[in-house]
Amino acid sequence: GAGVSQSPSNKVTEKGKDVELRCDPISGHTALYWYRQRLGQGLEFLIYFQGNSAPDKSGLPSDRFSAERTGESVSTLTIQRTQQEDSAVYLCASSSGDRGYREQYFGPGTRLTVT
Amino acid sequence: GQNIDQPTEMTATEGAIVQINCTYQTSGFNGLFWYQQHAGEAPTFLSYNVLDGLEEKGRFSSFLSRSKGYSYLLLKELQMKDSASYLCAVRDGIKAAGNKLTFGGGTRVLVKP
Repeated sequence: GAGVSQSPSNKVTEKGKDVELRCDPISGHTALYWYRQRLGQGLEFLIYFQGNSAPDKSGLPSDRFSAERTGESVSTLTIQRTQQEDSAVYLCASSSGDRGYREQYFGPGTRLTVT
Repeated sequence: GQNIDQPTEMTATEGAIVQINCTYQTSGFNGLFWYQQHAGEAPTFLSYNVLDGLEEKGRFSSFLSRSKGYSYLLLKELQMKDSASYLCAVRDGIKAAGNKLTFGGGTRVLVKP
C-alpha cells in the first residue's frame, strides 16, 4: 500500500515568510510524528499526535512552530517568520499505535531552505 | 531526558564485519531501535530490542544490555549498498511519551571495495 507522503519535497523561502509543510500518513495509522534533521545530524523530535489525545508538543523549538492534525489523517506543520536556522529536512512518520512494538514509517521529507 | 551517543563515522571493507556502538542515558527506557538512512532518503527500520540479548535478522544483528545502557548493531558480509548512516533511537519509558523516539546523531558507514 501507499507509504507516508510529504509535500512539497523541496521548499525555498525568504527569511521572515511563513511556510506550511504537509504530511499524509499511512491509512489507519493513529500515531503521527514530526522530526527535523539538520545537515549531517540525527533526527530531532518536534511533535507527536496519537488519536484524539492532546499532542505532545515538547520538541517544538519555539512558538513560531505549530502543527495540526485532522482526525487520524493529514497533518500540517507551520513555521512562522522563518529564520535561516530553520533550514533542515522535516520528516514525518506514522505508526499503527503507541503501545508495544510499533515501528515508525518515515516519509521522504521536505527539504526547507531559508534564504 | 535522553542522551544518546554513537560514533560519527566508520569505514570498513566490502565483505567484512562492522559493529556500531550506541550508549544511552535515559530517565526511562521502553525499547531501542536501529534505523538505516541512505543519503537523501528517509530512515528505514532495521531492528528493535526491548529485552537484553541479541536479535538476528539476516546479515544484521542488534544487541542490548539495559543494565549498561548499551546497544550495538552488527553488520556482516558488508556490501557496497550498506554505505549509509545508521541511527540509534530510544523510546522513553514514561507512558505519556507514547512511541516518541529520541535519536542519536547517527553513524555514517562507508564501505570500500
